Amino acid sequence: GAGVSQSPRYKVAKRGQDVALRCDPISGHVSLFWYQQALGQGPEFLTYFQNEAQLDKSGLPSDRFFAERPEGSVSTLKIQRTQQEDSAVYLCASSFTGRDTQYFGPGTRLTVL
Amino acid sequence: DQQVKQNSPSLSVQEGRISILNCDYTNSMFDYFLWYKKYPAEGPTFLISISSIKDKNEDGRFTVFLNKSAKHLSLHIVPSQPGDSAVYFCAASASADSWGKFQFGAGTQVVVTP
Repeated sequence: GAGVSQSPRYKVAKRGQDVALRCDPISGHVSLFWYQQALGQGPEFLTYFQNEAQLDKSGLPSDRFFAERPEGSVSTLKIQRTQQEDSAVYLCASSFTGRDTQYFGPGTRLTVL
Repeated sequence: DQQVKQNSPSLSVQEGRISILNCDYTNSMFDYFLWYKKYPAEGPTFLISISSIKDKNEDGRFTVFLNKSAKHLSLHIVPSQPGDSAVYFCAASASADSWGKFQFGAGTQVVVTP
């Protein structure tokens, strides 16, 4: 499709399990962003890629969070040893450059039991 | 610290009337602002933007006003329609950043009643 896609849409994990969330950005978009959205809050920035380079990871909450975009298109956000506080919707967005409008995917709702 | 604030978590408006959503920011370096609309189980979709060189931008039923001295922006929807029922987020960025890192508000839930 023409938009940003994310998979899976829903993920339930047991505490301590590792999870991997995938994002397919809009074709040709150089910039890719990951956000975490807690219930009743706005999206909170996690990390930013320009092509395959991770230029900003200041929003990653701990070293259990890791993101990659090895070929400059698809990106994966990995969370190791999940904790209950990781439960949130994880949104991916892409834009043609880093400064213009960001287009969001539908998100992955992660629930950690 | 929350640099972008939407102090009204919810707004109820009658169909056909005006909806006014407010957003305040604290960082004087912010110079580009966006409004997004979000339906349940979907990602936010871009609605309208404004840069700090303007104080108003219109797109159909949607108008965004920016008051730089007050560090305040508002979104007006006229006339409101049932399909406008959604959560609205404002977001802000600073061109002084090496890239456009957006800060989002917590959102305002709009309900348009018949």
